[in-house]
Amino acid sequence: DSGVTQTPKHLITATGQRVTLRCSPRSGDLSVYWYQQSLDQGLQFLIHYYNGEERAKGNILERFSAQQFPDLHSELNLSSLELGDSALYFCASSPQTRGRKQYFGPGTRLTVT
Amino acid sequence: EDQVTQSPEALRLQEGESSSLNCSYTVSGLRGLFWYRQDPGKGPEFLFTLYSAGEEKEKERLKATLTKKESFLHITAPKPEDSATYLCAVQSSGADSWGKLQFGAGTQVVVTP
Repeated sequence: DSGVTQTPKHLITATGQRVTLRCSPRSGDLSVYWYQQSLDQGLQFLIHYYNGEERAKGNILERFSAQQFPDLHSELNLSSLELGDSALYFCASSPQTRGRKQYFGPGTRLTVT
Repeated sequence: EDQVTQSPEALRLQEGESSSLNCSYTVSGLRGLFWYRQDPGKGPEFLFTLYSAGEEKEKERLKATLTKKESFLHITAPKPEDSATYLCAVQSSGADSWGKLQFGAGTQVVVTP
């Protein structure tokens, strides 16, 4: 158990809908990272927040957005969902800005039908 | 752009048959190279971080080494429980990287009794 929690574990929704994925980092970690893992793309970095501020963006679609709250939990919002958004979404946390070791959560499996 | 290439894509080993996985990388300044283990449907589990050429780290049957262009993960006398996908990732020291991990596609290892 990495200490990072993610909810829900599974999510099935229809095209065009909007969903919110939630992540609670390890106690004391200020950095939260979101990654997407699909069969054809592998693990891809989406976005990084440090202590409530956005620090880096990867190949995150405009339909996706994220935020980190004062209690350090983070949410990833996915809207206007398409079939191709079906994937595993992982959250990771690390104790430093520009963190070295990242601890990954168990992931949320999103299926868009 | 940072790139990580892992080989082979898949590896089937007999229990006790040692082997090595390769991770070659190009990065504009290496801040760290990471090895993770991932079981199906689960989050990546941290194994090692290597920071500079010549560095080696060991954990049970696993040993990771780093050169200026590649890293190797040696599996000595593997057991069936070592079956997993092994992921390599690099972290760049670039100003805009902010801790983002660039992952390779992984090597799927199956160890048979």
